[in-house]
Amino acid sequence: DIQMTQSPSSLSASMGDRVTITCRASQSISSYLNWYQRKPGKAPRLLIYDASSLQSGVPSRFSGSGSGTDFTLTISSLQPEDFATYYCQQSYGTVTFGPGTKVDIK
Amino acid sequence: QVQLQESGPGLVKPSETLSLTCSVSGVSIYSYYWSWIRQPPGKGLEWVGHINYSGDTNYNPSLMSRVTISVDTSKNQISLKLSSVTAADTAVYYCARHVIIAVAAFDHWGQGALVTVSS
Repeated sequence: DIQMTQSPSSLSASMGDRVTITCRASQSISSYLNWYQRKPGKAPRLLIYDASSLQSGVPSRFSGSGSGTDFTLTISSLQPEDFATYYCQQSYGTVTFGPGTKVDIK
Repeated sequence: QVQLQESGPGLVKPSETLSLTCSVSGVSIYSYYWSWIRQPPGKGLEWVGHINYSGDTNYNPSLMSRVTISVDTSKNQISLKLSSVTAADTAVYYCARHVIIAVAAFDHWGQGALVTVSS
């Protein structure tokens, strides 16, 4: 299986901050990388697919980049509703998910 | 409005078969691929497998010998069967829709069904 790692595992940020989360794959996955937001007790919400395609209805402050093994999710200006856990997921091989990055309030 | 709803027994005995159904409303099953994903308590998300309206499937190799996913187009439902379960199969099971046929990214999820394996 392709292993996914994320860094940091958690971060504290303030509203309005620019936040960057990194995801790394254990082998090249081209651009087959998706990002999700998850809040407690809820199913994940798709934010970005194919590394940089913004899912319909997702605010433009979310963006994704990268290819190969290294990817980033950027939130340009953190809003109150963005405090959540973020997961990456690859679909190049058997689908696997990263362990998550928790974003909380500083 | 696309909605997915998982249903099935919340308690299954070891060695028996776990069976869940995902009822889809607001969209036809025909146009998409559909996956099952699970999350054991305190652990990460694990993809179980997917199916399309034609019944073509792809399973996680770690579960392939025990899992069957099927589709009932007349009822707009997807089903999951997992045989010979153990406590390690205790998890919240989600059904999810692929955002585009060729892309295994999941844009709609059910609320999840907790299945506990215990005698």
